Amino acid sequence: NAGVTQTPKFQVLKTGQSMTLQCAQDMNHEYMSWYRQDPGMGLRLIHYSVGAGITDQGEVPNGYNVSRSTTEDFPLRLLSAAPSQTSVYFCASSYSKKGGRSSLYEQYFGPGTRLTVT
Amino acid sequence: GDSVTQMEGPVTLSEEAFLTINCTYTATGYPSLFWYVQYPGEGLQLLLKATKADDKGSNKGFEATYRKETTSFHLEKGSVQVSDSAVYFCALRRGGATNKLIFGTGTLLAVQP
Repeated sequence: NAGVTQTPKFQVLKTGQSMTLQCAQDMNHEYMSWYRQDPGMGLRLIHYSVGAGITDQGEVPNGYNVSRSTTEDFPLRLLSAAPSQTSVYFCASSYSKKGGRSSLYEQYFGPGTRLTVT
Repeated sequence: GDSVTQMEGPVTLSEEAFLTINCTYTATGYPSLFWYVQYPGEGLQLLLKATKADDKGSNKGFEATYRKETTSFHLEKGSVQVSDSAVYFCALRRGGATNKLIFGTGTLLAVQP
């Protein structure tokens, strides 16, 4: 079990460039999400997905796109990078609600991608 | 809306000192509460959780009790070690069809030998 994997670990972009942050999990989790971590702000939810083909916006979705064509993968796309998107990005996954069993809710986080936009 | 407030850091302690990191929350209904830990250069790991009022979560010597009357979930450890140095995040999950977590801002703990 590799858990949640993210690539790349580090990335530097110029303003206006596009890129895709990759996230994959091998735990057959239905729920996947992307967060960004900024100093003094904790983690903020960007987008999330409750299953293949279903995505929704989180707290700070502007400037980011997502898709979920398979259960395993949940890529995050920056269409036109801006300096305000300099951050550390974390992907997370978990089971969704199954019969109200709260023990299935634990979210597993990837190691993060540190993105700098100049 | 729902929110989590944590005490500001950094918190600097000597080895074997007692640790408290305060966390209070605002939420409708009955959220589940979590403490996550982030070691340097790593992602977040679940440290402990509590899913209903008066539940006590515990792990690796850390404890936190879900206090609905004071809307708090303070993290405590009786004797910290240098290896506990990390950033600690308090979080809540309101549940429902999604599994969104709402995080506090994080508290940096530095333990000195």
